[in-house]
Amino acid sequence: EAGVAQSPRYKIIEKRQSVAFWCNPISGHATLYWYQQILGQGPKLLIQFQNNGVVDDSQLPKDRFSAERLKGVDSTLKIQPAKLEDSAVYLCASSFGWAGPFGNTEAFFGQGTRLTVV
Amino acid sequence: QKEVEQNSGPLSVPEGAIASLNCTYSDRGSQSFFWYRQYSGKSPELIMFIYSNGDKEDGRFTAQLNKASQYVSLLIRDSQPSDSATYLCAVNTNAGKSTFGDGTTLTVKP
Repeated sequence: EAGVAQSPRYKIIEKRQSVAFWCNPISGHATLYWYQQILGQGPKLLIQFQNNGVVDDSQLPKDRFSAERLKGVDSTLKIQPAKLEDSAVYLCASSFGWAGPFGNTEAFFGQGTRLTVV
Repeated sequence: QKEVEQNSGPLSVPEGAIASLNCTYSDRGSQSFFWYRQYSGKSPELIMFIYSNGDKEDGRFTAQLNKASQYVSLLIRDSQPSDSATYLCAVNTNAGKSTFGDGTTLTVKP
């Protein structure tokens, strides 16, 4: 079974530039997550999709970040314009089950994209 | 108060000892609890999940959940140097939101 695919693996941009990350979840997984992980911290949920609907985007800085999940499959996360504090690893994860309290939401993570903003 | 809190460590144990990792959460309506392991420079990978109060064992790992105390722990028996990693506690709230703690760094010394 193929895992969660993410690209690119690394990206270096200047502040105020824009950047986009792509994620293809495991086939059949209904739930897709984008996390931001700053060095030394745990993953912070940016947005959670259930199929192509948004379950939670309360921590997504909507003035600069946007995300979409096309046809309930792959997803893109965009930052425009980037700030220095956006330097982090952006992790995409997917899970099979319904993202409810008793759902089997074991998340499988991609390798992540390491973003450096200079 | 953070939604999910963990001691950052580092926690150091000798090889063969029991490592005990703790996690508390603030949302009393949380129902699903997960422990992930993250090696340096790698992505998190699931070790165990637990939904019901009590203990759940899987090999050398035991997860313990106490919903009344809003507390979940992970015990690693016969710790090995290969267990050295950051251990992340994740909680799914009643609304289905998934939240991670900042992790505890474990070092197992040979």
